[in-house]
Amino acid sequence: GESVGLHLPTLSVQEGDNSIINCAYSNSASDYFIWYKQESGKGPQFIIDIRSNMDKRQGQRVTVLLNKTVKHLSLQIAATQPGDSAVYFCAETPGWGKLQFGAGTQVVVTP
Amino acid sequence: DTGVSQDPRHKITKRGQNVTFRCDPISEHNRLYWYRQTLGQGPEFLTYFQNEAQLEKSRLLSDRFSAERPKGSFSTLEIQRTEQGDSAMYLCASSTGLGREVFGSGTQLSVL
Repeated sequence: GESVGLHLPTLSVQEGDNSIINCAYSNSASDYFIWYKQESGKGPQFIIDIRSNMDKRQGQRVTVLLNKTVKHLSLQIAATQPGDSAVYFCAETPGWGKLQFGAGTQVVVTP
Repeated sequence: DTGVSQDPRHKITKRGQNVTFRCDPISEHNRLYWYRQTLGQGPEFLTYFQNEAQLEKSRLLSDRFSAERPKGSFSTLEIQRTEQGDSAMYLCASSTGLGREVFGSGTQLSVL
């Protein structure tokens, strides 16, 4: 079936470096994508979103890139900090809100 | 605005017992969602409401599960005759329907 998936289960990055988390999606009907951050014992926290009519969107220290041709989504975190250590999920939806999540990428920030 | 609240945060129950969870969404959000998350996995959609109407239910939501949103505000999720396989984090989220869903901290259910 159609699904959302992540390429790397764990990403180790040195403090101060940039992080890139990748996500592949296969539902061509999806027109809205969200990145969430989840810390242990907490619910997913919204980071940034992007609609399918855009290919790039920037927030504070984060950038999401969307490549609809290859159905690929990425999250870039600039100057990664210890507080960025968490599991990151990409999620897609065809528009009315039901989110389909991938399995997540664990980001570990090392000093 | 205090965000999405879920109660209780943790629930331990014995197999066969019934449990009920509550979710209080952000007040101006008319959409409310329930998800289930097991360790190491992303959340899985269970059901959603627009105001008081339950508009979709996942096939994951067996007959033992029921959700309500009687006045279009808070919602409850009840699991009857719990099984060990029901052990998971139950997450509630709300939105205006125009974009991002805001999640609560979840209810961690352990069925012994």
